[in-house]
Amino acid sequence: GAVVSQHPSRVICKSGTSVKIECRSLDFQATTMFWYRQFPKQSLMLMATSNEGSKATYEQGVEKDKFLINHASLTLSTLTVTSAHPEDSSFYICSARAGAGNQPQHFGDGTRLSIL
Amino acid sequence: RKEVEQDPGPFNVPEGATVAFNCTYSNSASQSFFWYRQDCRKEPKLLMSVYSSGNEDGRFTAQLNRASQYISLLIRDSKLSDSATYLCVVNNDGGSQGNLIFGKGTKLSVKP
Repeated sequence: GAVVSQHPSRVICKSGTSVKIECRSLDFQATTMFWYRQFPKQSLMLMATSNEGSKATYEQGVEKDKFLINHASLTLSTLTVTSAHPEDSSFYICSARAGAGNQPQHFGDGTRLSIL
Repeated sequence: RKEVEQDPGPFNVPEGATVAFNCTYSNSASQSFFWYRQDCRKEPKLLMSVYSSGNEDGRFTAQLNRASQYISLLIRDSKLSDSATYLCVVNNDGGSQGNLIFGKGTKLSVKP
């Protein structure tokens, strides 16, 4: 149980392109979904938290106009990296949680984004 | 002081060895604790939650010391497949957001 699917797993594109990443909870309803970013040899850093039907809450230093998050249903959240640049190249991982804040989060497979 | 600190390792151990990882956290109000494992270039996977009374799952035992703000993970009878990075994770907010704070991880390499 608790399967989270993330798509695509790998993206390589030119600078200036916008990239959309989908995160789906396949066998449970995710009241909250999270988006993380991980640079090489660094820890996962939370970018934003989204609750279904609400605006996402962004962490300090994360530009909401650059990283657009939509959480339209209890099973789908999307992250769009707008006008991506090489410094946005990273491993982006979503997670989903059903229920209260003390429950574990379940992670998607991650998306490796490379901007040329 | 970093919110969650771990020894990065690597820990290089032979198969069958017992190995222990430690982790400290800075926020005394932290509410829940987890160990995740992350394989190279993969997403983190939940290994186990950590409870105040200590808990065991097969070869894995987790301990929590709230007074010292210290968490540990013990792996007995190490297998080659245990090779991974082990992430100590703390939840600072028991409310709706549930903000997880990740340590950088401790790398384990189990050799034949």
